[in-house]
Amino acid sequence: GAGVSQSPRYKVAKRGQDVALRCDPISGHVSLFWYQQALGQGPEFLTYFQNEAQLDKSGLPSDRFFAERPEGSVSTLKIQRTQQEDSAVYLCASSLGARRKTSYNEQFFGPGTRLTVL
Amino acid sequence: DQQVKQNSPSLSVQEGRISILNCDYTNSMFDYFLWYKKYPAEGPTFLISISSIKDKNEDGRFTVFLNKSAKHLSLHIVPSQPGDSAVYFCAAGLDNYGQNFVFGPGTRLSVLP
Repeated sequence: GAGVSQSPRYKVAKRGQDVALRCDPISGHVSLFWYQQALGQGPEFLTYFQNEAQLDKSGLPSDRFFAERPEGSVSTLKIQRTQQEDSAVYLCASSLGARRKTSYNEQFFGPGTRLTVL
Repeated sequence: DQQVKQNSPSLSVQEGRISILNCDYTNSMFDYFLWYKKYPAEGPTFLISISSIKDKNEDGRFTVFLNKSAKHLSLHIVPSQPGDSAVYFCAAGLDNYGQNFVFGPGTRLSVLP
């Protein structure tokens, strides 16, 4: 079956430009996560959706970052007025979403979008 | 201040030998721990997890050990295979569902044939 897909895979933006990054989660997955991964670092949590509801956006670094998932499936991460420090790989992950008492609710990651801001 | 640390950026091991990847954390509230593996140009894939009520979890060639008092966990791969060459991320969370898993910076493992 198809995994999590992200587009574009690579994006080069001029400083000040707005960008939109798309995530197609695994069909039927309730939960969707966005992470930012800087060079040489691990993924850092940005925001989390359960269906169309954004339940946690505590990791978004500034109000220039905005995420939506209007129909509970595809999600878009938008970055306004990009800055050089926004250069990173943006990872999307999805999971089934059901709480489990004894096992991990595995997050399946997409390949990421590498954003370079010049 | 990094809550999850992987102090070895890289590790090289001979094929067939044991690989040991280490991870330390600072938040004593962390209750659930994960290892993810990442190949170049791909997203991380889940490898193995452990809850704080256990000190060991084994899955085939992969075993994770947890020492809560030392706030330390390790991943053992035995025997190591060239296909295990990848970046390994340790992650910690408050429970097994939590969205706020904190990832370490990763250790690049190279298994030499």
